[in-house]
Amino acid sequence: GQQLNQSPQSMFIQEGEDVSMNCTSSSIFNTWLWYKQDPGEGPVLLIALYKAGELTSNGRLTAQFGITRKDSFLNISASIPSDVGIYFCAGRIQGAQKLVFGQGTRLTINP
Amino acid sequence: IAGITQAPTSQILAAGRRMTLRCTQDMRHNAMYWYRQDLGLGLRLIHYSNTAGTTGKGEVPDGYSVSRANTDDFPLTLASAVPSQTSVYFCASSLTGGNTGELFFGEGSRLTVL
Repeated sequence: GQQLNQSPQSMFIQEGEDVSMNCTSSSIFNTWLWYKQDPGEGPVLLIALYKAGELTSNGRLTAQFGITRKDSFLNISASIPSDVGIYFCAGRIQGAQKLVFGQGTRLTINP
Repeated sequence: IAGITQAPTSQILAAGRRMTLRCTQDMRHNAMYWYRQDLGLGLRLIHYSNTAGTTGKGEVPDGYSVSRANTDDFPLTLASAVPSQTSVYFCASSLTGGNTGELFFGEGSRLTVL
């Protein structure tokens, strides 16, 4: 079953606003990944996190590996139209090899 | 441009028919994966292969089979398609096995089973 809870499921924002989304689980993870999927495309890796507490930026994107190892967040600053898409968190549970995905956050931006 | 190529891009199929989705990568990655994407459920792993000659079952393997005869190709076969297999299918690869992350995805194959 689903082991990651991603929220919110959808967001409608104005261009220029900051965005925040997160994933939580009852399991302990040792890897967190954030992917973005554009319409009609496959997901593309944005940020990878491998240590608890790790904070990593990629341009206007910042992601953190929660200190409890059960959560992660992704922030997008000063959103622009090309940020539209579906964002997925994914993680590898400690002791397991399987990568599990969140349900996705659909981001819509009003110009 | 190096990457993953999936075919067909989309297909409408009658229930009960056999269908093979093709996937080829030119990055010399050891591991390859097949996911299905359904609204509200995210990406679910169907089958995977950590290296050529080996395959394993993922989260939702029933009704699907795979083979990995060489490093580059990882076809997914639906032996007798059913409407619940209507989905978008993504092939992915990673440099190493163990599904440790940093997957590279193809552009997807949209399958509709009537």
